Amino acid sequence: NAGVMQNPRHLVRRRGQEARLRCSPMKGHSHVYWYRQLPEEGLKFMVYLQKENIIDESGMPKERFSAEFPKEGPSILRIQQVVRGDSAAYFCASSSTGGLMDEQYFGPGTRLTVT
Amino acid sequence: DAKTTQPTSMDCAEGRAANLPCNHSTISGNEYVYWYRQIHSQGPQYIIHGLKNNETNEMASLIITEDRKSSTLILPHATLRDTAVYYCIAVTQGGSEKLVFGKGTKLTVNP
Repeated sequence: NAGVMQNPRHLVRRRGQEARLRCSPMKGHSHVYWYRQLPEEGLKFMVYLQKENIIDESGMPKERFSAEFPKEGPSILRIQQVVRGDSAAYFCASSSTGGLMDEQYFGPGTRLTVT
Repeated sequence: DAKTTQPTSMDCAEGRAANLPCNHSTISGNEYVYWYRQIHSQGPQYIIHGLKNNETNEMASLIITEDRKSSTLILPHATLRDTAVYYCIAVTQGGSEKLVFGKGTKLTVNP
C-alpha cells in the first residue's frame, strides 16, 4: 500500500511565478491536510479538505494561496505570484476518516525555493 | 487545544531507554495527547496517543500521570535511527482535526 505521495519533491520558482504542489493521499483516504514548515521552525497547519470540500482553511494566508481536492485526482496547493517568504517545505497528510482517533499519515514534502 | 511544553533537546545512548517528557498542565478532560516525530526534514510520523491510560505499541510507550498534567514518551531501546524531533500535541475530541505543532524535543541518540 503506497504511502502519501507528493510531487514535485523540489520546486524552484522565480518571484511572481505560480507554484502548484500535488498530493496523492493513501489509498482509501478521503481527508487531506496541508502544513507548511519554514526553515528552522515547526509545522504550521494550513488547510483541511475532504473530497471536493474545504473543511478548515484557518491557516491559509488570505491572498495568493488556494487548495482543492477534486473528486478525481490529487489535492493541489496553489501559490500564485510567489515571494521569497513562501520558500518552505510543504507537507501533505491524509487520513481515512478525519476523526480524532485516526492518525494522519504524512508525505515526504515538497521543498519550494523562490529565487 | 492545551499548550504543551517540552525540553528543547535531549541525548540518549544507543540501546538505552529514551524518556521524553511533556507538560500539558492546562489539558482538559476531552483532550488527547498525541506524539509525532520528524526525522531530519522528512514528513512527521505518528507514534502513539492516549487519553488517561498508559498506552503501548510496537514503537513506544506513553505514560500519562494520574492528573493528566504531564506525560512521558518512552522509546525502550533507542537506536541511531530514532534521532529526530519529537512533538507532543494535545488534540481536542470533537474539535478541529488539525495538528498544532510546537518546537518539540530534538532527541539525539549517540553510539
